[in-house]
Amino acid sequence: AQSVTQLDSHVSVSEGTPVLLRCNYSSSYSPSLFWYVQHPNKGLQLLLKYTSAATLVKGINGFEAEFKKSETSFHLTKPSAHMSDAAEYFCVVTPDNYGQNFVFGPGTRLSVLP
Amino acid sequence: EAGVAQSPRYKIIEKRQSVAFWCNPISGHATLYWYQQILGQGPKLLIQFQNNGVVDDSQLPKDRFSAERLKGVDSTLKIQPAKLEDSAVYLCASSLGAEETQYFGPGTRLLVL
Repeated sequence: AQSVTQLDSHVSVSEGTPVLLRCNYSSSYSPSLFWYVQHPNKGLQLLLKYTSAATLVKGINGFEAEFKKSETSFHLTKPSAHMSDAAEYFCVVTPDNYGQNFVFGPGTRLSVLP
Repeated sequence: EAGVAQSPRYKIIEKRQSVAFWCNPISGHATLYWYQQILGQGPKLLIQFQNNGVVDDSQLPKDRFSAERLKGVDSTLKIQPAKLEDSAVYLCASSLGAEETQYFGPGTRLLVL
């Protein structure tokens, strides 16, 4: 069975400073990994996905994530936070047999201070 | 391209009442998902359809929840009777196929009193 741990329930950064949202996973298979963002009263939006190609994945809005198999991690980063980045971020894992057990982490709420 | 549509956006009911949610996926998307997102938690998959067939409903409380996708397009999720713990946001998502990116609707926020 696979699971996802998001180590911080809430992260607060100042505008213009780097963002790091941590995600660790466990999976019996070679996983596909995703980051989704959820703004208040809006639907979940895909930021980026890893599907066993390049380990450094670039997404929308300047976000990127690096897949590290040895650390079972898929941390999300952005060099400079913007006020519009304030939202809830979910790390998602699915095993190699995609379509089964698409598992969300508990989420990390990102606050961006002026 | 139009996104995933859901209605209603909000619903308040009393426990033991019935409620139904509707989802219209992105045109051409064969796979449709229903998720339950309880406040402070990540979404949990309830049921997955491939066209009009059920692929996975292992986490659907079948004694009170039901879902259908009769023509392989729109889908409805029903709760009968509702319990207090069913208060949550119900999200619908669709994808071209089971191995493709999922696109989410805005959700239906349910409050059971």
